[in-house]
Amino acid sequence: DAGVIQSPRHEVTEMGQEVTLRCKPISGHDYLFWYRQTMMRGLELLIYFNNNVPIDDSGMPEDRFSAKMPNASFSTLKIQPSEPRDSAVYFCASSPGGTGELFFGEGSRLTVL
Amino acid sequence: GENVEQHPSTLSVQEGDSAVIKCTYSDSASNYFPWYKQELGKRPQLIIDIRSNVGEKKDQRIAVTLNKTAKHFSLHITETQPEDSAVYFCAANAGNMLTFGGGTRLMVKP
Repeated sequence: DAGVIQSPRHEVTEMGQEVTLRCKPISGHDYLFWYRQTMMRGLELLIYFNNNVPIDDSGMPEDRFSAKMPNASFSTLKIQPSEPRDSAVYFCASSPGGTGELFFGEGSRLTVL
Repeated sequence: GENVEQHPSTLSVQEGDSAVIKCTYSDSASNYFPWYKQELGKRPQLIIDIRSNVGEKKDQRIAVTLNKTAKHFSLHITETQPEDSAVYFCAANAGNMLTFGGGTRLMVKP
């Protein structure tokens, strides 16, 4: 398996623009997690899905952020409108069970100017 | 929710010495405690984990200990090597979610 695949790897955009980050989990994994990593706040869980259903989105910072998982092999994290404080590395991770190893993607580095 | 504190934030050791990183957690229901290593510009990767039915686990030069009564767990790396230099994160589960500590930047000087 190719592992968790994220795109784009790097995104530079201007404040106010819409940003869409994409994730393909490992086949057969039924949990998918979106994390945000910054120097100041470390690794923060934004939202997670089980069997394509959002279970906990309490980490989503505000209404500008939304996430979907239309099927078992694809998820998106959208920021609209983007702001400079959204600049971070966004990681997607999947897991074959609820409590076990997380397999992280390579991350999407977002810079909002 | 779960709160995980990690210390120290940076740690510098001489090659061959041991390194110890400590974490505390708040939720007594937590039962899964993994450690991840993140090299510069790379993704976090699991290096070892421990579940609450054991107090210690070892894998070559890496060991973890868990004290459920005190709600703390530690990572021990012996005979450190330059390739151990990275950021290490502890984590604890709250249900099916993992909450990560703030990370420890380990620098191993040759």
